[in-house]
Parts: sequence; structure tokens; C-alpha cells
Amino acid sequence: NAGVTQTPKFRILKIGQSMTLQCTQDMNHNYMYWYRQDPGMGLKLIYYSVGAGITDKGEVPNGYNVSRSTTEDFPLRLELAAPSQTSVYFCASGRAGQISYEQYFGPGTRLTVT
Amino acid sequence: EDKVVQSPLSLVVHEGDTVTLNCSYEVTNFRSLLWYKQEKKAPTFLFMLTSSGIEKKSGRLSSILDKKELSSILNITATQTGDSAIYLCAVGGETGANSKLTFGKGITLSVRP
Repeated sequence: NAGVTQTPKFRILKIGQSMTLQCTQDMNHNYMYWYRQDPGMGLKLIYYSVGAGITDKGEVPNGYNVSRSTTEDFPLRLELAAPSQTSVYFCASGRAGQISYEQYFGPGTRLTVT
Repeated sequence: EDKVVQSPLSLVVHEGDTVTLNCSYEVTNFRSLLWYKQEKKAPTFLFMLTSSGIEKKSGRLSSILDKKELSSILNITATQTGDSAIYLCAVGGETGANSKLTFGKGITLSVRP
């Protein structure tokens, strides 16, 4: 059981380049999330999805886009990379319809924009 | 806007000490409070608390929620170097049918041998 997987683990981008961070979960969770983590700042929610075809903005969505065509996959797209997007990105998934808010995290992607 | 504040932001203790980590929150329609431990990589789940006054325990770790004070504590007894990590507190509040977590900034715990 792989849980939540993310690729790539590391990436260096130049300003203005674009890329997609991949996230896949095999737990059949309805809910999926993208967070960014900057040093000393906790986790900030970028986008989330409550099921295939449904996405919504989180706290810091500017500069990012997402799609959710299947239950398993939730890619995060950076269109015009900026230095402010240098961060560690975590994808997470969780069940819906219960009080439980437990989320399972992927290993993270460390992104540097120079 | 939902808010989660953790304190202290960092602390250093020696092996064998007992530590108490604090989390306070302001959230609309509180549903649950969660504690996570983050070492080098992804956060891993420790506890979820939904009811006031009921302690959750796992080995040397325990946590309790006080809904009246809008806060929670995480206790670690007989600390070990392996407890060194960032401890994240998150609160789940209801927004329509969606479940989202608001995270605090985390508490960096360093346990010295």
C-alpha cells in the first residue's frame, strides 16, 4: 500500500518556467489537498478537492492551478514560476463524510525557483 | 478567518525531561483538533481530539482538549532524542460540506542527550 506519492522529490526552476507537481493516492480518499510549507510558517493550504471534478481555492492559491479528473490523482500546476514559490509542497488525502479530519501526507516536493 | 497559535515556537530539553506543547485556536464551527509530528519529511498523525476533557494517550505522548479555553496540550514524558521534531497542531472547522484543516506554525522540539 503506497499511500500518497509525490513526484518529483526535488526540482529547480528558472523564473517564468512552468511545471506540474504530481500527486497520487491509492486509499480511495475523496478529499485531496495541496499545501506549501515555508520555514517556521506551518502548512498553508493552496487548493483542495472534495472529489473528482471538484476543486476549490485554499488560503494561498495565487500562481497555482489544479485539476482532479480521477479520484487518485491531484496534480498542481505552476504556470509562471516566481522566487516566492520556492517552498516545500505537500500533497495530502483524507476521507469524506465523517468527523475525522485525519489527513495522510505524501513525502513532499522541494522546489527552488531562481 | 480561522487561526491556530502554538507555543512556544521552539524549545530545547534534555533526555528524560517532560515537555508540554500548547495550541490555541479560533475557528468557526469547530469539529476537531489534530496533532502531527514532522521529522525530516511529511507530517505523521499523532492524535485527533473532538471531545473536551478526554485524554488520548500513545506511549509517552498524551493530549487533551479544552473546548472552553479553546486550547489543547500535547505532553511528552521521559523525552528521547527521537522525539526531536516539529509538532504541528491543526484544527478542522466546517465550511459547507468541506473538511479543511488550519495549521499552526509548529513547535520545534530539540531533545539533547
